[in-house]
Amino acid sequence: DAGITQSPRHKVTETGTPVTLRCHQTENHRYMYWYRQDPGHGLRLIHYSYGVKDTDKGEVSDGYSVSRSKTEDFLLTLESATSSQTSVYFCAIRGDSNNEQFFGPGTRLTVL
Amino acid sequence: GENVEQHPSTLSVQEGDSAVIKCTYSDSASNYFPWYKQELGKRPQLIIDIRSNVGEKKDQRIAVTLNKTAKHFSLHITETQPEDSAVYFCAASSLMDTGRRALTFGSGTRLQVQP
Repeated sequence: DAGITQSPRHKVTETGTPVTLRCHQTENHRYMYWYRQDPGHGLRLIHYSYGVKDTDKGEVSDGYSVSRSKTEDFLLTLESATSSQTSVYFCAIRGDSNNEQFFGPGTRLTVL
Repeated sequence: GENVEQHPSTLSVQEGDSAVIKCTYSDSASNYFPWYKQELGKRPQLIIDIRSNVGEKKDQRIAVTLNKTAKHFSLHITETQPEDSAVYFCAASSLMDTGRRALTFGSGTRLQVQP
């Protein structure tokens, strides 16, 4: 499955706690993306990266930050988790030479 | 930014029938339109895509058509089978503020194929 892993796969946390999700790829792809998936909303882009230390906001970036210190890892941080951030989070990667985007297995996050 | 609308939200067909899912997009600069299939509890999987310089693309039982003038594209599945049951998402690649492209997704269609 395109060499993408996400960790953790499941997490339950409490409101107000910080949470970091990790996306790891072995494809050496330049572009990496974080999405959240909620019923009725499809997949919505949170943040994306177009290279090491190069990131930008997507359509639902409030309450989230990201970091990419090396090509293979893209971290998503919820500084102070809220119940509205309960969701399934997917990471995706894309190479330079084509448009095809491949998804990781997802992380189910529950904020109580 | 880009807005992608997808219809219907649910679709039930009999095995062997055809299924059609339609999407419209708003940004005329969008140039790449993939379709993803997502089975319950799994990741979205790319099943077919089309670029803006092509009007139709086919891969076995699935096909995608694109009408750039009307800004809509459709997924066609023929001879449906129970294993086609899943949620299908369309997407359009549009320019972000950085000048980079990213996908905007439709809200999904739950396809149920009745045996």
